[in-house]
Amino acid sequence: GQNIDQPTEMTATEGAIVQINCTYQTSGFNGLFWYQQHAGEAPTFLSYNVLDGLEEKGRFSSFLSRSKGYSYLLLKELQMKDSASYLCAVRGDSGAGSYQLTFGKGTKLSVIP
Amino acid sequence: SQTIHQWPATLVQPVGSPLSLECTVEGTSNPNLYWYRQAAGRGLQLLFYSVGIGQISSEVPQNLSASRPQDRQFILSSKKLLLSDSGFYLCAWSSPGAVGFAFFGQGTRLTVV
Repeated sequence: GQNIDQPTEMTATEGAIVQINCTYQTSGFNGLFWYQQHAGEAPTFLSYNVLDGLEEKGRFSSFLSRSKGYSYLLLKELQMKDSASYLCAVRGDSGAGSYQLTFGKGTKLSVIP
Repeated sequence: SQTIHQWPATLVQPVGSPLSLECTVEGTSNPNLYWYRQAAGRGLQLLFYSVGIGQISSEVPQNLSASRPQDRQFILSSKKLLLSDSGFYLCAWSSPGAVGFAFFGQGTRLTVV
């Protein structure tokens, strides 16, 4: 089975840096994904890690450690528009799991002035 | 470019009534198609996925069903809605070789009363 944990809520200040953690226990692993979801809207893809290390994409970076079952999403130079939920998702590596993503419950980030 | 359409955006239905939500994808062929539900305080829950016409896999036992009558059409149905069926329903697609890079429709907010 799949189990994905991330903090429920976080608050950070505009212009600051925030790190959102995600830990997972899965029966197979073929990639970890981060999505952003503004309230009442659909999730949109942010980043993807399949190998250990850091992937940087503008103000957003994502890190993965497969041995630790751990990832984080790093947001720099926070803007008010970054207030949203951030969803961690894992893809399985075989059978039915390879066709789907399993999502965590999401971390609701509030950016304050 | 690829687009995904999902309708209706909001729906209020009485308990025991039927349900039909439709999703269509344009600009791609043979996509993987997904139905997710997001209940308040819970993560995205995969309900059904399809890798081809007429091929439906169910992830959660429930009173919902899905059908894929055409390559780019995915329908979520119920014969009799329950109060617990309330939630935010999201259709998504991905290329067969890029399962994690899902594109979501705008979602349907279903309230069963």
